[in-house]
Amino acid sequence: QVQLVQSGPEMKKSGASVKVSCKASGYIFANSYITWVRQAPGQGLEWMGWISPNTAKTDYAQRVQGRVTMTTDTSRRTAYMELRSLRSDDTAVYYCARRLGQDYFDPWGQGTLVTVSS
Amino acid sequence: QSALTQPASVSGSPGQSITISCSGTSSDVGSYGPLSWYQQHPGKAPKLVIYGGSQRPSGVSNRFSGSMSGNTASLTISGLQAEDEALYYCSSYTGTNTVIFGGGTKLTVL
Repeated sequence: QVQLVQSGPEMKKSGASVKVSCKASGYIFANSYITWVRQAPGQGLEWMGWISPNTAKTDYAQRVQGRVTMTTDTSRRTAYMELRSLRSDDTAVYYCARRLGQDYFDPWGQGTLVTVSS
Repeated sequence: QSALTQPASVSGSPGQSITISCSGTSSDVGSYGPLSWYQQHPGKAPKLVIYGGSQRPSGVSNRFSGSMSGNTASLTISGLQAEDEALYYCSSYTGTNTVIFGGGTKLTVL
């Protein structure tokens, strides 16, 4: 079955960087964008961006533009999301998901908690 | 861009039907809907329950249905069950290669 498995929780200091991975299985990795969505504690979902494993084309949300880089390694069937210059309000669960069609996502990874402390 | 507007909470008794609305603007829902809907249980990842405004993914109960009218989309859950208690989010493409989500609606099954 289609599955996305993410890397484990991270604890970082303000100003540091974090890189979260998302390993795909059960489908042709190159054929679908991977999107990243985050959820701060007790808050709603925030779309961060997506990447095409086939072309490496990315689109990022304005709020994280300049601090985020999404990449893929097709040989490892893995997508990565790196966020730099971390701030306390970056504390959130980060999810990857496969993009289907124009704007819907299925399935989702299990989530990776990133905690940023000063 | 502002989030799509959803009610903070809705509730219903087992067996009843409830509807969750999701309002946008002509720049998102009005132009690029159909919408998607996601169900999220506490501590779990979101799960797609409706896409394309009214399409159900394989495995999703036919008690879930979606509809659209102008700049507003709706998710209806009929025959409420205890397992339906969760957070529900709508999302829409914005036309600038971005996506926005609604603020989320907490469904309580009484």
